[in-house]
Amino acid sequence: KNQVEQSPQSLIILEGKNCTLQCNYTVSPFSNLRWYKQDTGRGPVSLTIMTFSENTKSNGRYTATLDADTKQSSLHITASQLSDSASYICVVSGGNKLIFGAGTRLAVHP
Amino acid sequence: DAGVIQSPRHEVTEMGQEVTLRCKPISGHDYLFWYRQTMMRGLELLIYFNNNVPIDDSGMPEDRFSAKMPNASFSTLKIQPSEPRDSAVYFCASSFWLAGGPYEQYFGPGTRLTVT
Repeated sequence: KNQVEQSPQSLIILEGKNCTLQCNYTVSPFSNLRWYKQDTGRGPVSLTIMTFSENTKSNGRYTATLDADTKQSSLHITASQLSDSASYICVVSGGNKLIFGAGTRLAVHP
Repeated sequence: DAGVIQSPRHEVTEMGQEVTLRCKPISGHDYLFWYRQTMMRGLELLIYFNNNVPIDDSGMPEDRFSAKMPNASFSTLKIQPSEPRDSAVYFCASSFWLAGGPYEQYFGPGTRLTVT
């Protein structure tokens, strides 16, 4: 069964600290993996897209990694800011399907 | 470009009524997606179109839901009759295909539907 599991469900960190969010998937065939950031009350915004051959991609303070062998991805946030408070959603594309994770809700406190 | 435009932004209706949600994709995009988001189920893909043709509607919950794309600049998602369990935020997204690479989706602001 095609599944995307994210952990943790929620996370609280202090401003300036780093954090890492996890995404494990069992989607087959695999086309690409995306990380989205969704602020409360708004639509998701793409952070990174990675294909099978890419194992690291950065977007500012966000760095995503992909291990296609173990079917794991992580999103690392460096020097967190209050504006990083949001839900982070992992989405795996395969064939004509888009499989969504449940998201990790991140709260950055001052 | 104004981005993906959705209307209305908020809709409150009574159970049994027909609800129509509207979406205008970004000009030039040839893919259009409809999503539903709830606290319980997260973000779910309902249906997507390519060049106005439905490609995958396996996410449409039941016959009460229907979606159309009469032209490249407009799509509707209709619920008839609506039920309280349809209460959710409905997102529309559009994208274009990049040769040799995955497409990038751009989401609209969403329509918050409340069925009482």
